[in-house]
Amino acid sequence: GAGVSQTPSNKVTEKGKYVELRCDPISGHTALYWYRQSLGQGPEFLIYFQGTGAADDSGLPNDRFFAVRPEGSVSTLKIQRTERGDSAVYLCASSTTPGLAHEQFFGPGTRLTVL
Amino acid sequence: DQQVKQNSPSLSVQEGRISILNCDYTNSMFDYFLWYKKYPAEGPTFLISISSIKDKNEDGRFTVFLNKSAKHLSLHIVPSQPGDSAVYFCAVRSGGAQKLVFGQGTRLTINP
Repeated sequence: GAGVSQTPSNKVTEKGKYVELRCDPISGHTALYWYRQSLGQGPEFLIYFQGTGAADDSGLPNDRFFAVRPEGSVSTLKIQRTERGDSAVYLCASSTTPGLAHEQFFGPGTRLTVL
Repeated sequence: DQQVKQNSPSLSVQEGRISILNCDYTNSMFDYFLWYKKYPAEGPTFLISISSIKDKNEDGRFTVFLNKSAKHLSLHIVPSQPGDSAVYFCAVRSGGAQKLVFGQGTRLTINP
């Protein structure tokens, strides 16, 4: 079946602009995660959804970042007033009902470049 | 404050030999440990995991070892194959949280 898909694959924007990044999880997966990977680093957790609600948003760096998952499937990560430091690969992952021993399946990511 | 460290940014191994990738963590509350593999332009792919109640888990050519007293995790790949060339991330989780905390990654190159 289809894996996690993310659009766009690349996004170039100017400092100060608003961007939206989309994630389509694997069908039937109730849990959805956003991570950010900067150059030379591992993925860094941003937010976790269980169904429609954000169960853990402790990784969002500031109030310019916001994510939604209104119908419990597709999610959108929104970044306002982008800064050059926001440049990174934004990864989305999904999993079945979470438990200790579950696997998170990752999408290919969206590479965001803020000029 | 890095909770999970992979101190070797890169590793080069001859095809057929054993590859050993290492990971250290600081928080004894972590109770589930995973290894992910990442090819360029792709997302990380789950490889193998281990619970804190075990000290070894094996899956084909891949074995993960956990030393809780040393807070150390390692991944052994034997025999190494050219297709194993990728960046490997260790990741940890504590029981109450769903988020994964990743190390910085180790780039493994298998030479023919």
